[in-house]
Amino acid sequence: NAGVMQNPRHLVRRRGQEARLRCSPMKGHSHVYWYRQLPEEGLKFMVYLQKENIIDESGMPKERFSAEFPKEGPSILRIQQVVRGDSAAYFCASSPRQASGNTIYFGEGSWLTVV
Amino acid sequence: AQKITQTQPGMFVQEKEAVTLDCTYDTSDPSYGLFWYKQPSSGEMIFLIYQGSYDQQNATEGRYSLNFQKARKSANLVISASQLGDSAMYFCAMSLNNQAGTALIFGKGTTLSVSS
Repeated sequence: NAGVMQNPRHLVRRRGQEARLRCSPMKGHSHVYWYRQLPEEGLKFMVYLQKENIIDESGMPKERFSAEFPKEGPSILRIQQVVRGDSAAYFCASSPRQASGNTIYFGEGSWLTVV
Repeated sequence: AQKITQTQPGMFVQEKEAVTLDCTYDTSDPSYGLFWYKQPSSGEMIFLIYQGSYDQQNATEGRYSLNFQKARKSANLVISASQLGDSAMYFCAMSLNNQAGTALIFGKGTTLSVSS
């Protein structure tokens, strides 16, 4: 699936714990996007990052959620004090710096279950 | 506001038949891109086909073709000669400005079931 690596694939957390989801973009890609998919729904945009910069976080919940894409290493989506409603699939996508519209590739997703 | 609408929650088709999955979109931006993704039961998102708003011809990729009707703001996916492995959820999505660096807006999806 085009080389975007997400881990873990499955994560179980108790209410109140923290969840950290990681995304390594495809080689040569400098744009990273995070999406959330609730059961029986389509994907919803959360945040768009470039290296060391958050470009658009209009889809991020105001509290408990944060994202980063450091100079070195993967992008991290962090959810603090998880609640049952955070249970969802979280997808990362990446694209190259200079891109046409059809070069957005998705990872295989991380499934978060809050118990 | 930009919006993607997929009105068919589920579609059923027999092997070797063609099927059309509907997608309509709403945007006031003249430059945009339209995507179709397949999500099998294993969960990954698989890119199928892309159409830019200024592309003159309808996109085709193997058994997939995109019936792009700009005036109607529709971008239906046509799958020819359906196979059992085509059973999955299908999502239509739109990007703005026909560039990477912008978010995709997704429809709610259509579940396709292919029977033998």
